[in-house]
Amino acid sequence: SQQGEEDPQALSIQEGENATMNCSYKTSINNLQWYRQNSGRGLVHLILIRSNEREKHSGRLRVTLDTSKKSSSLLITASRAADTASYFCATDTQGAQKLVFGQGTRLTINP
Amino acid sequence: GAVVSQHPSRVICKSGTSVKIECRSLDFQATTMFWYRQFPKQSLMLMATSNEGSKATYEQGVEKDKFLINHASLTLSTLTVTSAHPEDSSFYICSATDRSNQPQHFGDGTRLSIL
Repeated sequence: SQQGEEDPQALSIQEGENATMNCSYKTSINNLQWYRQNSGRGLVHLILIRSNEREKHSGRLRVTLDTSKKSSSLLITASRAADTASYFCATDTQGAQKLVFGQGTRLTINP
Repeated sequence: GAVVSQHPSRVICKSGTSVKIECRSLDFQATTMFWYRQFPKQSLMLMATSNEGSKATYEQGVEKDKFLINHASLTLSTLTVTSAHPEDSSFYICSATDRSNQPQHFGDGTRLSIL
């Protein structure tokens, strides 16, 4: 079952603007990850944040995690046309190997 | 980085055909592989988890006799869709990991179309 809810479902912005996507989940987690999927392709891992972390950066990406609200956000700064893709959050729980994916946000960067 | 190769990328075949999809880890030993199904504009739905040398664990609602999974080595897992029908048409994606709770590395998916 999919426990992640992502919001917005679709986001369209101008190149150079920042894009923020949110993810909420229902159960306690061990890690939360963000993945990107270009149309018709597999997923590319972007960043992993552990349950005891609150914020993490990687290049133009910033991820926050609020376990009290069971939510996470992904911020992409200075967006580029190449950032156009679907973005998914995925959670795993202690002792479980599998990931549960959110519904995803379709991001479109307009040149 | 870790590379997962999935083959074929696209299959079009007649109803009743069995189709085999391969998932290979090219530069690491995949102790666990996962098979997902994805419908257009939707998220990934986990079908099964496969550990090398043991039987796959299927998610609820996934028919194990319909979707046969073999993970005979640390670098190869296969998914066979037996007697495929049009409703089996979908995008199938595999992923692999070498340790529990580490990032899964995904193949590029297989688009299966059953006529």
